[in-house]
Amino acid sequence: GAGVSQSPSNKVTEKGKDVELRCDPISGHTALYWYRQSLGQGLEFLIYFQGNSAPDKSGLPSDRFSAERTGGSVSTLTIQRTQQEDSAVYLCASSLSGVREKLFFGSGTQLSVL
Amino acid sequence: DQQVKQNSPSLSVQEGRISILNCDYTNSMFDYFLWYKKYPAEGPTFLISISSIKDKNEDGRFTVFLNKSAKHLSLHIVPSQPGDSAVYFCAASDTGANSKLTFGKGITLSVRP
Repeated sequence: GAGVSQSPSNKVTEKGKDVELRCDPISGHTALYWYRQSLGQGLEFLIYFQGNSAPDKSGLPSDRFSAERTGGSVSTLTIQRTQQEDSAVYLCASSLSGVREKLFFGSGTQLSVL
Repeated sequence: DQQVKQNSPSLSVQEGRISILNCDYTNSMFDYFLWYKKYPAEGPTFLISISSIKDKNEDGRFTVFLNKSAKHLSLHIVPSQPGDSAVYFCAASDTGANSKLTFGKGITLSVRP
């Protein structure tokens, strides 16, 4: 596709369950970001992948959160033992090479933890 | 610690008038600033950017002004149109080549017909 694709668009889960969120960046983009937006909050940085460099994980809120990027393309954000405070819109973005290039965002995954 | 602050959560203006959206930052290392626009159920889209070597950047109806001494930037939209109604996020990055973007909480702009 032409844009950043995220799946699922909506996910409802029970507290304590694990979830996986997927992001397909724009082909050829080496930089990939995960952000989340909780209700009434701004976009909170989670993790950043750039090419073959070690990812910047400084935004992950706890060790229940992890992300990987396979083959420099698709990325999966995993949240283990979900909590109600994890409920948010999780947004993925990619750019050609880095933050000085404009980011292209996906439509996000709305995660609701009951 | 909010390094990028958008203190007004909402703004309502009449169609055809000017919209001024403000943003303040605290990190003196920030040197690149962007505005993103977000419609409901969509991801943010890039609107306009400015480097710290400039104090103004214009693109059609959109102009961003940067006041480095005050650590303040503003987005001007003139004339405002109903289709501009959206959430506007201010974002900033520092000098690191692989620096991440830090976003504000956003301002909801409503343009009344």
